[in-house]
Amino acid sequence: EIVLTQSTGTLSLSPGERATLSCRASQSVSNNYLAWFQQKPGQAPRLLIYGASSRATGIPDRFSGSGSGTDFTLTVSRLEPEDFAVYYCQQYGSSPYTFGQGTKLEV
Amino acid sequence: QEQLVESGGGLVKPGGSLRLSCAASGFIFSDSYMSWIRQAPGKGLEWVSYISGSSRYTNYADSVKGRFTISRDNARNSLYLQMDSLRAEDTAVYYCVRGHTILTYWGQGTLVTVSS
Repeated sequence: EIVLTQSTGTLSLSPGERATLSCRASQSVSNNYLAWFQQKPGQAPRLLIYGASSRATGIPDRFSGSGSGTDFTLTVSRLEPEDFAVYYCQQYGSSPYTFGQGTKLEV
Repeated sequence: QEQLVESGGGLVKPGGSLRLSCAASGFIFSDSYMSWIRQAPGKGLEWVSYISGSSRYTNYADSVKGRFTISRDNARNSLYLQMDSLRAEDTAVYYCVRGHTILTYWGQGTLVTVSS
């Protein structure tokens, strides 16, 4: 089983700043099949990025994903007030498909 | 407009059973893999199970294998999760999700609480 580690539990930033969230895999993620999700309190997760760098439908271009192999990054170029939430990475390159433990982005 | 609406959650005693349902609309259900993902209170996300559009392929997390059964009824645009031999650690919000690799759309979830 691939273990995903999101090393930063909580990231404190302000609107307008740049956010960089990391996700490290215990072994290489096949085909860079890595996704990022955003979850706000009381809501279901929302797909942001898949395939490490492809934005999902309707996702603003201030969200971008990068990385390959075992190291992946989600970048939010200029934080908007609605971006403060919990972010999860997920690998779907090998079963069981696993999630990171999440990074809380707070003001 | 895609929509996934879960139902069937509630309070159940350890060792008991529960059947979750998910009503889908706004997309071609029979063409879509579907998954169940769960989230324990205040915790992260855990993949539980998926099923192919034709029901030919299913897969389960080790933590639920042999206790949970995923199924679907394409005529009713519905997904199910039969949960038997429930344990306290199964307490979670259960999400119905379109897809099995790329999890494109999530329902709002239904809460399952296993407690005596």
